[in-house]
Amino acid sequence: SQQGEEDPQALSIQEGENATMNCSYKTSINNLQWYRQNSGRGLVHLILIRSNEREKHSGRLRVTLDTSKKSSSLLITASRAADTASYFCATAGGTSYGKLTFGQGTILTVHP
Amino acid sequence: EAGVTQFPSHSVIEKGQTVTLRCDPISGHDNLYWYRRVMGKEIKFLLHFVKESKQDESGMPNNRFLAERTGGTYSTLKVQPAELEDSGVYFCASSPLLETHNEQFFGPGTRLTVL
Repeated sequence: SQQGEEDPQALSIQEGENATMNCSYKTSINNLQWYRQNSGRGLVHLILIRSNEREKHSGRLRVTLDTSKKSSSLLITASRAADTASYFCATAGGTSYGKLTFGQGTILTVHP
Repeated sequence: EAGVTQFPSHSVIEKGQTVTLRCDPISGHDNLYWYRRVMGKEIKFLLHFVKESKQDESGMPNNRFLAERTGGTYSTLKVQPAELEDSGVYFCASSPLLETHNEQFFGPGTRLTVL
């Protein structure tokens, strides 16, 4: 079974618009994290939300977590061309010890 | 503070050859992880070191893969012999020892192409 499935797989928007990406998972978690990857570069940690939290903000990022539905969303407000990247959700915890389980990612393209 | 570094950035080898990837974690980070992304699929966990000990190697695909972390500093991942399906991007990540469920710091990855 796939842990951390994301939708949409690709999202194309105009600068200034909001971008919403969703992630679903299957097993119990300790926390859920979102990472960004720019083309050819490593993953950059964006935000972490713990299983007992429902919403978290960081700058233009807003993350929600619904453990009853085993889903999370990442909202990027007022998008910029520089936000163009792949975004991955990753879950940690449960019976695991530190390892992250990633989704397939959403490719976000922000047109200037 | 220097980030996680990986070497080489790209490697192209022929099927049957051996390749060794290297990861230098952030100084002082006792947790070191290897992941890989194959053929545009999801990033998958390979293994986890705590210092020099293998904490979890449940993601290692088969015995052609050998990871080491002698001395608990840098780590190497050897693929021998390489197969076509080993092509992909290999990521290394590190984190401090006590923050087992917090963020991991990733390197830029090594892109491996097996011809």
